[in-house]
Amino acid sequence: SQTIHQWPATLVQPVGSPLSLECTVEGTSNPNLYWYRQAAGRGLQLLFYSVGIGQISSEVPQNLSASRPQDRQFILSSKKLLLSDSGFYLCAWDQREAYEQYFGPGTRLTVT
Amino acid sequence: EDKVVQSPLSLVVHEGDTVTLNCSYEVTNFRSLLWYKQEKKAPTFLFMLTSSGIEKKSGRLSSILDKKELFSILNITATQTGDSAVYLCLGGTSYGKLTFGQGTILTVHP
Repeated sequence: SQTIHQWPATLVQPVGSPLSLECTVEGTSNPNLYWYRQAAGRGLQLLFYSVGIGQISSEVPQNLSASRPQDRQFILSSKKLLLSDSGFYLCAWDQREAYEQYFGPGTRLTVT
Repeated sequence: EDKVVQSPLSLVVHEGDTVTLNCSYEVTNFRSLLWYKQEKKAPTFLFMLTSSGIEKKSGRLSSILDKKELFSILNITATQTGDSAVYLCLGGTSYGKLTFGQGTILTVHP
């Protein structure tokens, strides 16, 4: 069966510090991968999606970036965090022909 | 721009009640409509609907899609306190992109 992991589960970082969130998927190959952010009291916002290694599409311009160094690994990064980057970050995957997405457990990021 | 609108935005009921959550969508290259349940953490998948008029059921939950009128409903019968959550409706395109509704906050009181 497929599983999706995210870490860390929670993170408190000061403004201006770097960020690296990691997501890995097991039990499948060549998945589509997604990063979402859910700000407090608001809906989910798609940040990045990837259809393959090294292929990243950005949905919203911001100070975040994403990379996919391996087939089942998706990384969300920032060089300098802003207060507005606080939120709940979710990684998701789907198989190309299925389209129902499955979410990881999420990372709660607080920028202070 | 693709749009998914859910109603009501919040709903408070008592255990045993039946609830209906609504979702209307305007999605270019529409392929599927998905329902998720979110309880403080990551959303969990409930249903994916691709064909009109075919009801999908899972226990006390059921959902149906109307592709002509561009809406879907999620029904929960005999609600329990464990059904309290945010219910998300998503519109999926033929190329895999999802558009999220704003969610319906369901609160079930004992």
